[in-house]
Amino acid sequence: KQEVTQIPAALSVPEGENLVLNCSFTDSAIYNLQWFRQDPGKGLTSLLLIQSSQREQTSGRLNASLDKSSGRSTLYIAASQPGDSATYLCAVIWATGRRALTFGSGTRLQVQP
Amino acid sequence: EAGVAQSPRYKIIEKRQSVAFWCNPISGHATLYWYQQILGQGPKLLIQFQNNGVVDDSQLPKDRFSAERLKGVDSTLKIQPAKLEDSAVYLCASSLDTAATGELFFGEGSRLTVL
Repeated sequence: KQEVTQIPAALSVPEGENLVLNCSFTDSAIYNLQWFRQDPGKGLTSLLLIQSSQREQTSGRLNASLDKSSGRSTLYIAASQPGDSATYLCAVIWATGRRALTFGSGTRLQVQP
Repeated sequence: EAGVAQSPRYKIIEKRQSVAFWCNPISGHATLYWYQQILGQGPKLLIQFQNNGVVDDSQLPKDRFSAERLKGVDSTLKIQPAKLEDSAVYLCASSLDTAATGELFFGEGSRLTVL
């Protein structure tokens, strides 16, 4: 079964800390992987898109890596700020089967000032 | 560039009543998706359209849910009759790429509470 898992479900860190969010997926045959941010009561905002041929993508303080062989992706947030507090979701488009994003349950991040 | 528009933002209904949600995707985007997000979970795909054709509706509870995409642009999602477990946020998303490998853009969602 094609599944996406995110651990931990929740994370609390002090401001300024560098942190890593983890995402794992069960099938290495993917088109791409996307990381999203969701603020309470809001829709999803795309952060980074990694195509299957890529190993990483960077945007500002965010860096996402992709290791298809191990079925893992990480989202690295440098110098965290209280404004980074949100739920972070990763999602995958599989190369076979359903051609739409399959989401993990997300990691709820709280950055303490 | 305008984003994905959804309405209404909030709806409260009694069980067994009906409700409809509307979505206007980003102009020119061929692919449109409806996702259901239950509190504390990731979004789950309900239906995917490419232009005005259905690509995937395998997870749509067809006994109570229906969706259409008018002229390959706007879309409506209807629930009739609603059940308590339908309480969720209904998210609409669109993407430019007809092969569904491009970046997805989401609306703010429509929050449904069924009492």
